[in-house]
Amino acid sequence: TQLLEQSPQFLSIQEGENLTVYCNSSSVFSSLQWYRQEPGEGPVLLVTVVTGGEVKKLKRLTFQFGDARKDSSLHITAAQPGDTGLYLCAGEVGFGNEKLTFGTGTRLTIIP
Amino acid sequence: GAVVSQHPSWVICKSGTSVKIECRSLDFQATTMFWYRQFPKQSLMLMATSNEGSKATYEQGVEKDKFLINHASLTLSTLTVTSAHPEDSSFYICSARDPRGHSGNTIYFGEGSWLTVV
Repeated sequence: TQLLEQSPQFLSIQEGENLTVYCNSSSVFSSLQWYRQEPGEGPVLLVTVVTGGEVKKLKRLTFQFGDARKDSSLHITAAQPGDTGLYLCAGEVGFGNEKLTFGTGTRLTIIP
Repeated sequence: GAVVSQHPSWVICKSGTSVKIECRSLDFQATTMFWYRQFPKQSLMLMATSNEGSKATYEQGVEKDKFLINHASLTLSTLTVTSAHPEDSSFYICSARDPRGHSGNTIYFGEGSWLTVV
């Protein structure tokens, strides 16, 4: 079983601050995805990274895949209350119809 | 709009009864769907892989006789929680991969189904 550890588990910061969430594993993944989940809803895909060292930006969110494809990070610049939610990384081994292994989750709260 | 839909969104059942949750892919055919379980303030745990036309593949520790999965068509998978008990109360989520080229094999998640067993 591939385990994905996220840190921090909880994070509460003031609006306008920057933050980074980490997703680490000892396993190699063919792709890694980041999701955000609101209470009572299913996860919504933010980004997929597939190449070691890849960096993707989505407005104020920057995602990076580690060179060895074992870890990833999510950096949010100038956090806003709308960024509040549960952030989940999920790794896929192999390509195609492979199942996802979800990380332990980071619950982010942005204080206005 | 949603491309993967679950029904019901929430359900309350009595202990000992069975309850069925449906997962439908609305815009594409899915030979494989996945069922997850999520306890409050925790991450998603994969329960099983639902395979169209064949038996589901269950993760270690998941009782296949308790969580019955049927994937009879390319757009519908069902999860039946049999003889439900209060400890089965949870948020159940399904997902399906869109195989169409323009979507890049994107995985879509359903809205989730809250099950409360009383």
